[in-house]
Amino acid sequence: GAGVSQTPSNKVTEKGKYVELRCDPISGHTALYWYRQSLGQGPEFLIYFQGTGAADDSGLPNDRFFAVRPEGSVSTLKIQRTERGDSAVYLCASSLIGGANQPQHFGDGTRLSIL
Amino acid sequence: QKEVEQNSGPLSVPEGAIASLNCTYSDRGSQSFFWYRQYSGKSPELIMFIYSNGDKEDGRFTAQLNKASQYVSLLIRDSQPSDSATYLCAVINFGNEKLTFGTGTRLTIIP
Repeated sequence: GAGVSQTPSNKVTEKGKYVELRCDPISGHTALYWYRQSLGQGPEFLIYFQGTGAADDSGLPNDRFFAVRPEGSVSTLKIQRTERGDSAVYLCASSLIGGANQPQHFGDGTRLSIL
Repeated sequence: QKEVEQNSGPLSVPEGAIASLNCTYSDRGSQSFFWYRQYSGKSPELIMFIYSNGDKEDGRFTAQLNKASQYVSLLIRDSQPSDSATYLCAVINFGNEKLTFGTGTRLTIIP
């Protein structure tokens, strides 16, 4: 597809469960970003990949959160032992080559609800 | 002090008028500035980006950057009901690539 694709669009699970959220960036984009957005707030940065490597993971809230991008394209955000406070919209963005002057384009997000 | 501040609104503007959205930022090292539009329940959509002091125009949209005063604004001319959305200001600070967002301004265009 032409844009950033995220699956699933919605995920409802129970507290304590493990979840995986997938992001397929725009074809050819080397930089990939994960953010999460709570109601009434702007998106908050989680992690940034350049190619296969995590260049900046300073936004991951704790060690329950982990992300991978093994082949430099699709990325998976993994959350262990989910808590109700993890409920949010998880957004993925990509940019062509990364860098401060490259616009980031967002996918439609995954709405995660922890019961 | 938040890194990026916006008036949460709501800001109501009559159809056809100019909507003015403002954003201030605290880090003098901020180097790139972005405006995103977000409809309710949707993801942020890039509207404008600006790196240099001054104005940048794209159709009905003009972004204005004043680094000395640490503010960036977005003007929307000939406002349309379809412009009703939340507008998010975001900056990238020197030395990293993450977007830091404000909380957004909710804009309503009144027909």
